[in-house]
Amino acid sequence: KAGVTQTPRYLIKTRGQQVTLSCSPISGHRSVSWYQQTPGQGLQFLFEYFSETQRNKGNFPGRFSGRQFSNSRSEMNVSTLELGDSALYLCASSLYPGSFETAFFGQGTRLTVV
Amino acid sequence: DQQVKQNSPSLSVQEGRISILNCDYTNSMFDYFLWYKKYPAEGPTFLISISSIKDKNEDGRFTVFLNKSAKHLSLHIVPSQPGDSAVYFCAARGQGGSEKLVFGKGTKLTVNP
Repeated sequence: KAGVTQTPRYLIKTRGQQVTLSCSPISGHRSVSWYQQTPGQGLQFLFEYFSETQRNKGNFPGRFSGRQFSNSRSEMNVSTLELGDSALYLCASSLYPGSFETAFFGQGTRLTVV
Repeated sequence: DQQVKQNSPSLSVQEGRISILNCDYTNSMFDYFLWYKKYPAEGPTFLISISSIKDKNEDGRFTVFLNKSAKHLSLHIVPSQPGDSAVYFCAARGQGGSEKLVFGKGTKLTVNP
């Protein structure tokens, strides 16, 4: 069974640019959550999608957005990048929202903003 | 405002001894708590959980204790093994089956052979 795939694994962007990250969940999983991990703040919830609908959103500015496609793959977009957006972005997939014990995380995308 | 706090960024123990990782929370509405383990270059993996109606949950070498009055939980690993070396995250879920988790900043555990 293939795991959660996040692409790209590493990314370097310049301040002001925008970036799109991708997450392909485990086959059959319809819920995808996104998290930002930084040394100073730890893991912070960004948003969650289920059946192409955003169900929950964390306390991030509107520059952070996401979407989910009919095949459950999800993308997150960050516009007008700031230095503070440098982080590891993790996605997790599960069968249903709130299935924390059975959620699987991807390896993450390491974003560096310069 | 950090609602889930792991005040020790790192912990080092000898193989075979007990590892105790601590977590404090401020929101009394949290009703479910989880611990995740994360190795470098991998995503976090679920380790153990506890509901607020319990004060202890055990799974093999891992035991989680919850003290609701103190808003404190701890993860005990006995005996500790070098393979347990990882970053451990404490997480909490809001009441009423919230689908959002609030994480602590993590504690890096190093188990020395």
